[in-house]
Amino acid sequence: DAKTTQPPSMDCAEGRAANLPCNHSTISGNEYVYWYRQIHSQGPQYIIHGLKNNETNEMASLIITEDRKSSTLILPHATLRDTAVYYCIVRMNYGQNFVFGPGTRLSVLP
Amino acid sequence: SAVISQKPSRDICQRGTSLTIQCQVDSQVTMMFWYRQQPGQSLTLIATANQGSEATYESGFVIDKFPISRPNLTFSTLTVSNMSPEDSSIYLCSFLPGVNTEAFFGQGTRLTVV
Repeated sequence: DAKTTQPPSMDCAEGRAANLPCNHSTISGNEYVYWYRQIHSQGPQYIIHGLKNNETNEMASLIITEDRKSSTLILPHATLRDTAVYYCIVRMNYGQNFVFGPGTRLSVLP
Repeated sequence: SAVISQKPSRDICQRGTSLTIQCQVDSQVTMMFWYRQQPGQSLTLIATANQGSEATYESGFVIDKFPISRPNLTFSTLTVSNMSPEDSSIYLCSFLPGVNTEAFFGQGTRLTVV
């Protein structure tokens, strides 16, 4: 079973920041938080991952709470092309597969 | 990063037949996986494709139904055998370039069984 809880859906206005929450209250000390997204009819796309510190790349920022029990993926300026299902996954980095939950369906509205 | 190619991208098959899906990566990778995504659902892991040995299947998936080959570190196939309409899904291959990396996914094979 997936170890994360995400809202089933969210809306965001185009050009605004999209903040996608994820709860992972049972995360262990050596588990990373990964985010993927799946645009309709495509394979999942890696976005970002982190262990303890906040992370930022060209796609998004990942904010992890100090107790590591939750995190937020931030898309700073959402566009219509960011409409997708976003998956939050916790995983140890020892060659394990990725276990996908239902994710959050983000709709970016014009 | 490595490039992954999966084919066919889609197919419509008759019940009772089998379809083999191919996954090719342009560099040697540590691990390869096969997932199924049923309509409107999330991804479910079918098996880990092991190079040179039998695949490791997840609960609910068996080798007779989903035989998998991985003859080398860049290529794997998944066969969906004796298909029924319930097998209509998207099948995706995935790989890890190294044990401590993110996974990359193919674009999927959309299978419709009629």
